[in-house]
Amino acid sequence: EIVLTQSPGTLSLSPGESATLSCRASQSVFSRSLAWYQQKPGQAPRFLIYGAFNRATGTPDRFSGTGSGTDFTLTISGLEPEDFAVYYCQQYGSFPWTFGQGTKVEIK
Amino acid sequence: QVQLQESGPGLVKPSQTLSLTCTVSGDSISSGGSFWSWIRQPAGGGLEWIGRIYTSGTTTYNPSLTSRVSMSVDTSKNQFSLTLNSVTAADTAVYYCARSIMLLGVVGSSDYWGQGILVTVSS
Repeated sequence: EIVLTQSPGTLSLSPGESATLSCRASQSVFSRSLAWYQQKPGQAPRFLIYGAFNRATGTPDRFSGTGSGTDFTLTISGLEPEDFAVYYCQQYGSFPWTFGQGTKVEIK
Repeated sequence: QVQLQESGPGLVKPSQTLSLTCTVSGDSISSGGSFWSWIRQPAGGGLEWIGRIYTSGTTTYNPSLTSRVSMSVDTSKNQFSLTLNSVTAADTAVYYCARSIMLLGVVGSSDYWGQGILVTVSS
């Protein structure tokens, strides 16, 4: 099973600042099969990024994903008020599909 | 617009069976374009993939649950279901159903999710 470790656990930032979220895999993720999701309290996760760097339909271009192998990053350039949430990475290159434990982006 | 809706009991007694159904609208399970997944999240915790099912009934389960889980699909009702046996308090969570799609030749990212249903295991 591929274990995904996200860091930091919490990121305290102000609107307008940029956020850099890390997702590290315990072994190489096949074919960049990595997705990112955003979750707000009481809501289901929202699909943001697939294939490590491809934005899903409707994802604003301030969200960008990079990485390959075992190291992946989600960058949010210029935080908007609606971006404060928990973010999860997910690998789907091998079974079982697994998620990271999440990074909370909170208002400073 | 694709929508998924979970339904089932919100309270299950320990050692009994948890059964949930996901009703899909805006897409046809029988079209074969997607896989259909169950994912759960304990209160304040992270996401755990439970398994997936295809229109043919082919399933893949998380090894951590495979001895207790089964999934089925009813294409006539455009629904798929989850059964989890011998539940304990550790199975208390919000259960989500989701559509898992093929992008860039790989299936696994989930673009549409149900709102989730809280299932509590307690006597």
